[in-house]
Amino acid sequence: KNEVEQSPQNLTAQEGEFITINCSYSVGISALHWLQQHPGGGIVSLFMLSSGKKKHGRLIATINIQEKHSSLHITASHPRDSAVYICAAFGGATNKLIFGTGTLLAVQP
Amino acid sequence: NAGVTQTPKFQVLKTGQSMTLQCAQDMNHEYMSWYRQDPGMGLRLIHYSVGAGITDQGEVPNGYNVSRSTTEDFPLRLLSAAPSQTSVYFCASSYSGYRGGNYGYTFGSGTRLTVV
Repeated sequence: KNEVEQSPQNLTAQEGEFITINCSYSVGISALHWLQQHPGGGIVSLFMLSSGKKKHGRLIATINIQEKHSSLHITASHPRDSAVYICAAFGGATNKLIFGTGTLLAVQP
Repeated sequence: NAGVTQTPKFQVLKTGQSMTLQCAQDMNHEYMSWYRQDPGMGLRLIHYSVGAGITDQGEVPNGYNVSRSTTEDFPLRLLSAAPSQTSVYFCASSYSGYRGGNYGYTFGSGTRLTVV
């Protein structure tokens, strides 16, 4: 069993829909990192959070430390949101990241 | 522009050849790391460094060497390339501690390596 699990692995949505991507982890962490990777592109850090909720534009990330679960929400989705979204557990002491396998999101116009 | 610079972006090697993937950052980050990304497996840590002169192995270090002679540079050396090393490689850097609300985690644009 992977230490960081994401669901779903693939997600197709219509433009404007509300999207949720889930991440569960089994390791102790100091923070949870959400990343975005466009096809053939680099990796961009979206959020790093250790408690509660963070919001940036149409993106919202939440974390429940007790349940070891985090969610990434996209409101009013747009085709340009199509990408792979990756969550990673951040160990803190050594700055190591343990990655999930990613969620491939396709938003259709 | 500030960030993490990786070179080359693409490389094809023959089995047995050696090469060095370059990584440089200008953000004065203490922590640097190398990951490889393979389909269905997520990113996996190869080597990392918490500061100049200090390196350590990650999850998949075999076949790779690193050194950290300066804060800015963290090259990854493939000693004798094998087809199993065909992958996309990412370099990343961050502060060693929490600053200004985050660790400043920044990734390079990646190197797509094919070993034939």
